[in-house]
Formats: sequence, C-alpha cells, structure tokens
Amino acid sequence: AQKVTQAQTEISVVEKEDVTLDCVYETRDTTYYLFWYKQPPSGELVFLIRRNSFDEQNEISGRYSWNFQKSTSSFNFTITASQVVDSAVYFCALSENYGQNFVFGPGTRLSVLP
Amino acid sequence: GAVVSQHPSRVICKSGTSVKIECRSLDFQATTMFWYRQFPKQSLMLMATSNEGSKATYEQGVEKDKFLINHASLTLSTLTVTSAHPEDSSFYICSALIQRQVYNEQFFGPGTRLTVL
Repeated sequence: AQKVTQAQTEISVVEKEDVTLDCVYETRDTTYYLFWYKQPPSGELVFLIRRNSFDEQNEISGRYSWNFQKSTSSFNFTITASQVVDSAVYFCALSENYGQNFVFGPGTRLSVLP
Repeated sequence: GAVVSQHPSRVICKSGTSVKIECRSLDFQATTMFWYRQFPKQSLMLMATSNEGSKATYEQGVEKDKFLINHASLTLSTLTVTSAHPEDSSFYICSALIQRQVYNEQFFGPGTRLTVL
C-alpha cells in the first residue's frame, strides 16, 4: 500500500530563515507521481509541484526548491528566505495508477514569524 | 490549469438535516471525481470515487447511505450528507480527474466547510 510520511508536524522559523520540509514515501509501483500542496488558512489547496518517478532532477522555482531522491524515497521541499506569507500547512502527496490513487501525507504546519 | 468549483463554500446546519454540496468542473468534462474529507488539523482522506453514470465507490469506513454521491453529468458531482450530526462537521474537498495520454491529472476544488450544530 502506498504511504506518505511527513515527520515534522509543526515548524516555526523566523522570517528570512531557510526551512526544509521532509517527505518520505512508500510505494510498490515503478511509475508514480509526487506532489507538494500548500494549504493556507482559507483551506484551498494550492498546487506547488508534481514530479514523476522517472525524473529525479531537482527543481527550483523562485524561493522554492525540491530535492527528489529515489534511493531514500524522499521528496523534500525547501523554502529559502522564508516570508510570513509562507505560513500554511504543506502537504506532500503520492499518486499511483497514473494519477488515479492519491494519498496525502499528514501535513506540516509552517509558521513564519516576523 | 483546469478549474473546479464547489458550492456552497461554507454551510451551517442543524443536527438532523441534510446538506448537499456541489462540485463542478468548469472548463472540462470529468468522468471521475473524488470526494475528500479533512477534519481540523488533519490530512485529507479520500471518502469516495464518483463515476459519471454509475455508482460511487466508497472507501472503507465511509457510510454510503449517509454520504450520498450523485454524478449525473460530466461536469457535476454532488455529495449529500444525510441526517447530519456534529461529528460530520468537516472540510469537504472534491477533485476532478482529467484523463490525459500519459497521466491522469486531478484538480481540486476550493472546499466546503460544513458545521453541524
């Protein structure tokens, strides 16, 4: 069965600090997709990134970067120079069956203090 | 990206009443939609898979007679919480699936916050 673990329940940082959110997954499929979503207090999920299992290249988008390592089944997310607006719950998710079966991790609540 | 809407965004009802939540795919057709539930400070959990023109598939532990799902058209799925009780208070999120050649992509709605008094 597929599973996603986010060991950090809550993280607090001071503005401008870098922060890394960890995600470890389990799957028996060779083809799968990994995601990160942001959920601000409004509740609406904000899509951040999707990665397929064949693409281990790290990605950078502005202050956000992702490190995908199949050897350790991890897909970690780093926010550089954090801002108060980054405060939210962040979910890592795994999708098997070409997007059909979707499992969310428990989430990490990030608080960025001014 | 594709757009999925939900209505209402927020609903408060009395215990024992039924509440209907709509999920619409605005600019695409979706033969498959999903309903998730999120309790406070918890993750999203899949409740059921809604297939157009057929019965929904429910996850283990989800009462199909309590959470009625209807997917009568390619752009609309509804979730009806029947005889709602305070423990049904939750954030309900739907998603719609676009089937592409290589990958089936899910687009999530903005969610509906249900409070049962």
